[in-house]
Amino acid sequence: GAGVSQSPSNKVTEKGKDVELRCDPISGHTALYWYRQSLGQGLEFLIYFQGNSAPDKSGLPSDRFSAERTGGSVSTLTIQRTQQEDSAVYLCASIGRPTRLTFGSGTRLTVV
Amino acid sequence: AQSVSQHNHHVILSEAASLELGCNYSYGGTVNLFWYVQYPGQHLQLLLKYFSGDPLVKGIKGFEAEFIKSKFSFNLRKPSVQWSDTAEYFCAVKGNTGFQKLVFGTGTRLLVSP
Repeated sequence: GAGVSQSPSNKVTEKGKDVELRCDPISGHTALYWYRQSLGQGLEFLIYFQGNSAPDKSGLPSDRFSAERTGGSVSTLTIQRTQQEDSAVYLCASIGRPTRLTFGSGTRLTVV
Repeated sequence: AQSVSQHNHHVILSEAASLELGCNYSYGGTVNLFWYVQYPGQHLQLLLKYFSGDPLVKGIKGFEAEFIKSKFSFNLRKPSVQWSDTAEYFCAVKGNTGFQKLVFGTGTRLLVSP
């Protein structure tokens, strides 16, 4: 596609429910990042994919967070048993050659 | 591991004032450096980037940044800001060997009053 697509754009969920966030990177981009933007916290790195593997998942806050990428394309970020502190904007970005990181417009997650 | 510091969290300027936003990083090797901007209600966009060569890089909308290796800095500048520059600005650094993640600063919120 022409840009990085994320869905849903907004998600309101009840505390304790699981949510799944989707990222469609730019076609041909092999590297993909997930970041989280919380109010006043700036951008927080979550996980990085190169192809289907994740060389760096050090930013995942807890074992309730997981991510996968299949076919070197679409990635899903899953948050189990959501908590209020999970409320944030979750941003996906893909990177192509030459190095240029392109961000999606994010998913705004609100846990109530 | 690399890290980025943006010391100014909020900056308020009048139109036509000059802007300089500080960015310092720590990393033991060579780096790629970036400034991103997020306008209200929009997603992040690349302003400018430094990979190698001339340490003074020019970006979109009249912005520029200077890489000073000895100071581990990559400050963002604009000679004369406009109301439309109101946004949040993020500095980011990435080691350029192997698979390195892009690390962002906490951002600087700029408000330009007309």
